[in-house]
Amino acid sequence: AQSVTQLDSQVPVFEEAPVELRCNYSSSVSVYLFWYVQYPNQGLQLLLKYLSGSTLVKGINGFEAEFNKSQTSFHLRKPSVHISDTAEYFCSGAALIFGKGTTLSVSS
Amino acid sequence: EADIYQTPRYLVIGTGKKITLECSQTMGHDKMYWYQQDPGMELHLIHYSYGVNSTEKGDLSSESTVSRIRTEHFPLTLESARPSHTSQYLCASSPLVGQPQHFGDGTRLSIL
Repeated sequence: AQSVTQLDSQVPVFEEAPVELRCNYSSSVSVYLFWYVQYPNQGLQLLLKYLSGSTLVKGINGFEAEFNKSQTSFHLRKPSVHISDTAEYFCSGAALIFGKGTTLSVSS
Repeated sequence: EADIYQTPRYLVIGTGKKITLECSQTMGHDKMYWYQQDPGMELHLIHYSYGVNSTEKGDLSSESTVSRIRTEHFPLTLESARPSHTSQYLCASSPLVGQPQHFGDGTRLSIL
């Protein structure tokens, strides 16, 4: 069965610094992976998706992720964060399984 | 712009009451889902439906029930609310299994 593990529960960074949120997956057959963002008092919004093809996936708000089959990872990155990126981030697989979430806190 | 709507957004109600959380989507998606999310925690799938008249329980045991009489509507019902039901409930839909899900803004339920 597929599972996803988010390695960091909280990531504090300063504004304009780069950030990486880590996600590892286990897979049986197919690999579909997603990153979602959740702002306070809202539902989840899709940031980006990997279904097949290029291993570097670009999403909204300047985020990107790289699918790494050998390391079974799908880490989310942004080269320069803004205060408005403060939110909860969830890694998810096709089997309706979500990681426990990573709280990204951006301060000035 | 939300294509999936949940009502109410917030509900505070006493123990023993019957509650129905509404979820509607305008995208024509066959697949719909209910998740339970406690503060700072992951989402747990409690119910899902792959089409009209099709409903299944998810991984997390729940005392709630669901129905799917119309494609666009997937309500969740608690027959007798208890304080342990206090949580946030998120509804989602997708066109196919394995495709990204569209989420509503959730219902934050508090049982006194």
